[in-house]
Amino acid sequence: KNQVEQSPQSLIILEGKNCTLQCNYTVSPFSNLRWYKQDTGRGPVSLTIMTFSENTKSNGRYTATLDADTKQSSLHITASQLSDSASYICVVSSYQAGTALIFGKGTTLSVSS
Amino acid sequence: NAGVTQTPKFQVLKTGQSMTLQCAQDMNHNSMYWYRQDPGMGLRLIYYSASEGTTDKGEVPNGYNVSRLNKREFSLRLESAAPSQTSVYFCASSESLAGGRGETQYFGPGTRLLVL
Repeated sequence: KNQVEQSPQSLIILEGKNCTLQCNYTVSPFSNLRWYKQDTGRGPVSLTIMTFSENTKSNGRYTATLDADTKQSSLHITASQLSDSASYICVVSSYQAGTALIFGKGTTLSVSS
Repeated sequence: NAGVTQTPKFQVLKTGQSMTLQCAQDMNHNSMYWYRQDPGMGLRLIYYSASEGTTDKGEVPNGYNVSRLNKREFSLRLESAAPSQTSVYFCASSESLAGGRGETQYFGPGTRLLVL
């Protein structure tokens, strides 16, 4: 069964610290992996999209990595800010008919001052 | 450029009532989607429209119908609301069908629906 598992479920860090969120998937055949940021009460916003051949992609203080062999991805946030408090969702796409996006349940990050 | 807009923002229904959730995008995108988001679960696809004039079922279509009114608008209808349909509903759009080609999806702000 195609699945996307994220860990930890929630995380609290101090402002200015770094953190890493994990995503493991069992989606096959794999096409691409996305990370979304969802602020409370808002819709998700795309941070990065990585294909099979990409193993690192950055968007400002956000850096995503992908290991297609072990089917793992991580999202590293550098020098966290209060505005980073949000849910981070990992989404994996498969090469199938239609739109086969499998969403993880998300990691809730709280950044405190 | 408003992006993806949804109306209403909040709605309370009684069991058995019907309603239509509206979605519009001004990015000239071909593909549009309806998702629901429930606590402790990932977003689940209800219906999608790859292009104007086409609609297809997603993962959880039961109890819903959709209409792709034109290229800009994609509505979701609950014919007879049930408490199990209490959720947050998100509309999204992309230039072409998101999935294997890596198209970016743009989400609306959501509609919070409570069915009593």
